[in-house]
Amino acid sequence: QKEVEQDPGPLSVPEGAIVSLNCTYSNSAFQYFMWYRQYSRKGPELLMYTYSSGNKEDGRFTAQVDKSSKYISLFIRDSQPSDSATYLCAMSGRTNSGYALNFGKGTSLLVTP
Amino acid sequence: NAGVTQTPKFQVLKTGQSMTLQCAQDMNHNSMYWYRQDPGMGLRLIYYSASEGTTDKGEVPNGYNVSRLNKREFSLRLESAAPSQTSVYFCASSAQAQPQHFGDGTRLSIL
Repeated sequence: QKEVEQDPGPLSVPEGAIVSLNCTYSNSAFQYFMWYRQYSRKGPELLMYTYSSGNKEDGRFTAQVDKSSKYISLFIRDSQPSDSATYLCAMSGRTNSGYALNFGKGTSLLVTP
Repeated sequence: NAGVTQTPKFQVLKTGQSMTLQCAQDMNHNSMYWYRQDPGMGLRLIYYSASEGTTDKGEVPNGYNVSRLNKREFSLRLESAAPSQTSVYFCASSAQAQPQHFGDGTRLSIL
């Protein structure tokens, strides 16, 4: 079993919809949780960063971490066509690979006008 | 405002050829990483360097070597390329326990 599980989609929503993206994980050592956005033929770009449990909001984006359930979420409000991309969850903690990131496989999102 | 710079952006090799992928960062980060990204597999860690002068294996190190040349530069070498190494390679850097910043990747095809 991979340490981080993420539904690859694809997920297609109409413009203006609320999008919910999720990941589950198995390693209790993870303390740092991130969401990256990756456009086609580009590198991952950091979207949200959360330490330990709780919520964090940045504009239209909200990240939630529930360490008791080993579950993280990213919500996108008022989705736009420019949000169409692959969203990668990532997490790290003090493990055998230092603070190297463990990634989900990514969810492909398409927002249609 | 360069961030993480990877060269080359594209490369085609024949089986058995060698090649070095270059990565440089200008953010004064201590840690640097090499990943490969394959369809359906996500990003997998090849090697990392927690600080200048140290390197360690990640999840998929076989067939690769790395050199942390100085604080800014971290190179990845394929000594004898194989078709299974066809992939997109990403370099990243970070301060310790902070989010990683990625380059735009090197697309490598091995025939």
